[in-house]
Amino acid sequence: DGGITQSPKYLFRKEGQNVTLSCEQNLNHDAMYWYRQDPGQGLRLIYYSQIVNDFQKGDIAEGYSVSREKKESFPLTVTSAQKNPTAFYLCASSIDFGQGGQPQHFGDGTRLSIL
Amino acid sequence: KQEVTQIPAALSVPEGENLVLNCSFTDSAIYNLQWFRQDPGKGLTSLLLIQSSQREQTSGRLNASLDKSSGRSTLYIAASQPGDSATYLCAVIYNTDKLIFGTGTRLQVFP
Repeated sequence: DGGITQSPKYLFRKEGQNVTLSCEQNLNHDAMYWYRQDPGQGLRLIYYSQIVNDFQKGDIAEGYSVSREKKESFPLTVTSAQKNPTAFYLCASSIDFGQGGQPQHFGDGTRLSIL
Repeated sequence: KQEVTQIPAALSVPEGENLVLNCSFTDSAIYNLQWFRQDPGKGLTSLLLIQSSQREQTSGRLNASLDKSSGRSTLYIAASQPGDSATYLCAVIYNTDKLIFGTGTRLQVFP
């Protein structure tokens, strides 16, 4: 079945540590996205990628980094510079970017907590 | 500033009722609007996508309408069931192609 796989489901970060969240899709989608969800707030865009080897900052990119070396993979690294990383992280993809009419499909999320 | 608001924040109803969830957006120049469902601890499932040129979309017991000029969309759920219990999120896309989400309506349907 085609879809988006996020791993791990739960992740714990120690003080000063960088952690990487995995996102893999087999939908052959060009565009991929990372969102952060906090209680009582809507999803906020961290980074997005329109195509392989390209990515752009979203609304809350500080303290995060990404790479897009392969079409199917878009890992997110939460760096030690992100002082409030505890949240639910969601990865999404869409067929392409810039058309305004393509739905985004989401993975099941990774919950990150501070130790 | 482009913002999306959803009312009510939470709703609890008995099984069988017809429901209306509301979504409003401050900038009416949208490309499309998408309704999602989110179960606790899970990702988002796309329910309906309405293009800016459309007035409504239907899927089974769900019907979503769009009134661009007034900056509103409604999600109508007919004959609600306990399995409909979830958080429903509305999101809009402008010319930047980035989704702007509302904070959601948490729905509980009890038997």
